[in-house]
Amino acid sequence: DAKTTQPTSMDCAEGRAANLPCNHSTISGNEYVYWYRQIHSQGPQYIIHGLKNNETNEMASLIITEDRKSSTLILPHATLRDTAVYYCIVRVAISGSEKLVFGKGTKLTVNP
Amino acid sequence: GAVVSQHPSRVICKSGTSVKIECRSLDFQATTMFWYRQFPKQSLMLMATSNEGSKATYEQGVEKDKFLINHASLTLSTLTVTSAHPEDSSFYICSALSRGTGNTIYFGEGSWLTVV
Repeated sequence: DAKTTQPTSMDCAEGRAANLPCNHSTISGNEYVYWYRQIHSQGPQYIIHGLKNNETNEMASLIITEDRKSSTLILPHATLRDTAVYYCIVRVAISGSEKLVFGKGTKLTVNP
Repeated sequence: GAVVSQHPSRVICKSGTSVKIECRSLDFQATTMFWYRQFPKQSLMLMATSNEGSKATYEQGVEKDKFLINHASLTLSTLTVTSAHPEDSSFYICSALSRGTGNTIYFGEGSWLTVV
């Protein structure tokens, strides 16, 4: 079973920041938070991951609370092409063999 | 990010026949690959974990004799749907573990299987 909880859907205006929350209250100390997105009829795309520090890359920023029980994915300037289902997943990365278990994700719709 | 390629992207086969889907890691070696299936408007469901040079590990409820997985090299895993039936029609997606990029998992583009 997925170990995360996300809102079913969210809307965002084009050009504005999209903030996608995720709860992972049972996360273990060695589990990372991963974010993927899936645009219709395509394979999931890796976005970002982190352990406890905030992370930023060319796609997004990941803010993890100090207690690590929740996190927020931030798309700073959403575009219409960011419309997708966003999945937040916790996973042990150290062993390298832990599988990714997908929940239902958040369907983000970016509106013109 | 690392590139994972699947082939074919779409396939139609007759009921009772078998169909093979290939998953390749193009710019990295993947000792571990994963196979998922996804029905319309549903999330991805993990079918099996494929380890190079050993038998695949199947998730509960997935028939290993129906969904044959072979991971013969560090860059190729194949999924063969045997004796396909219309209910096997689905979107099949593979992913590969890239140890060189922080043990991140990257996904292929997916393969649409339609059994008629």
